[in-house]
Amino acid sequence: VQLVESGGGLVQPGKSLKLSCSASGFTFSSYGMHWIRQAPGKGLDWVAYISSSSGTVYADAVKGRFTISRDNAKNTLYLQLNSLKSEDTAIYYCARGTWDYWGQGTLVTVSS
Amino acid sequence: DVVLTQTPPTLSATIGQSVSISCRSSQSLLHSNGNTYLHWLLQRPGQSPQLLIYLVSRLESGVPNRFSGSGSGTDFTLKISGVEAEDLGVYYCVQGTHAPPTFGGGTKLELK
Repeated sequence: VQLVESGGGLVQPGKSLKLSCSASGFTFSSYGMHWIRQAPGKGLDWVAYISSSSGTVYADAVKGRFTISRDNAKNTLYLQLNSLKSEDTAIYYCARGTWDYWGQGTLVTVSS
Repeated sequence: DVVLTQTPPTLSATIGQSVSISCRSSQSLLHSNGNTYLHWLLQRPGQSPQLLIYLVSRLESGVPNRFSGSGSGTDFTLKISGVEAEDLGVYYCVQGTHAPPTFGGGTKLELK
């Protein structure tokens, strides 16, 4: 099993970014998936979840700004980040819904 | 949202010492289906979190049996029976019984 995030980078406040999480080694379509973030020096902060049937749940802090989605044909999970704020600066991890596999994370820095 | 309170925030131990970490929930984590979705993660320095214990007391594959979990309802404990150097890092409890998932604040295990 492998999860590989990509798409992070430096972005200005108010701008957008799209993260990807490429999955391999398991039947991606059968699992719900999480996005979790970790601000520098801080703890883990759950961001969003998408079920195997594409039902979604969001943390209040990102609701209306972030969108989680999946492409089962490409074995890829996405997180669209809009209207970014400085407080969104963090490492963003994807994880399998059972919490047993995590990616290495991708850093998003929101700064002017 | 469910609040998970971990104590202590920092734990100093010598190699071979047995230690315990507490995770207390603001509400019962017993799901109506009979499962308790309380899990324990370890994040070693510079690494992604990894699952140690799931469903309160079940040892994840490949995790040494010096790790054990116990508890029910709102009170849960992770015990390490004989700390080894590779166990250093930050331990998190996470609950999935009530949406949204929430993490404890973390317990940093360091060498004395």
